[in-house]
Amino acid sequence: SAVISQKPSRDICQRGTSLTIQCQVDSQVTMMFWYRQQPGQSLTLIATANQGSEATYESGFVIDKFPISRPNLTFSTLTVSNMSPEDSSIYLCSVVLAGRSGEQYFGPGTRLTVT
Amino acid sequence: AQSVTQPDIHITVSEGASLELRCNYSYGATPYLFWYVQSPGQGLQLLLKYFSGDTLVQGIKGFEAEFKRSQSSFNLRKPSVHWSDAAEYFCAVGEMQAGTALIFGKGTTLSVSS
Repeated sequence: SAVISQKPSRDICQRGTSLTIQCQVDSQVTMMFWYRQQPGQSLTLIATANQGSEATYESGFVIDKFPISRPNLTFSTLTVSNMSPEDSSIYLCSVVLAGRSGEQYFGPGTRLTVT
Repeated sequence: AQSVTQPDIHITVSEGASLELRCNYSYGATPYLFWYVQSPGQGLQLLLKYFSGDTLVQGIKGFEAEFKRSQSSFNLRKPSVHWSDAAEYFCAVGEMQAGTALIFGKGTTLSVSS
C-alpha cells in the first residue's frame, strides 16, 4: 500500500476566497483523481489530474473554478476558487498505484467549510 | 448509463448479528467492483475488490462479497458485526483500465446496536 497525505485536513474559509489543497503520495503512481463529497452525499469525480498537462474535468466542473496542477507523478494540488457556501464539502484525492491497475486508494480528505 | 445503486440508506444491526449490504450496478463493460468503508471524519478505506475469477471475494476486517453477474449485484457480507463496524459503506464500479475513475453508490450507513 501507500501513504497518501492531504493538506490541510480541514479549513474554514470566507466566501469569495480561494483554498489550495495538496495531495502527496509516497509511492509510484499512475493516475491521480480528485473527488468531492458534499455533506451526506456520495463521491463525485471532479477531474483526473494529468502530469504535466491540463486536468481532464467531468461535466459540471470547470478549470476556472477548480484549477488542478500535477507537476510530478506523486504530487497534485486542487484549488477551490471564489468559494461560496455551496463549496462546503470534503475533497479527496485518490491514486492508482503503479502495478496495481484498477485499484484506487484515497487520501484522508480535506473538510472545507465556507462561511 | 453507468450507475451503482445501494438500496438501503441506513441499516441497524445488533452486535454479533450477521450483515448484508446490497449493491446493484449497471455497467456496459466488464466491471471492476469495490467496497469502501468510511468511518466518521476519515477517508475511504478499500475493503475488497472483484476483478475476475472466484465470485466470492474476501476482504479485510472479516468482510466478504459475492459477485452475481446474472443479478448485476455485488453484496457485502459479514457473519458477525462488531461495534467498530459502524460506518458508511460505499459500493463502486470501474473499468478494467488504470485510467478510469470510479462511480460510487450513495452509500449505506451502518449502525450497530448493543
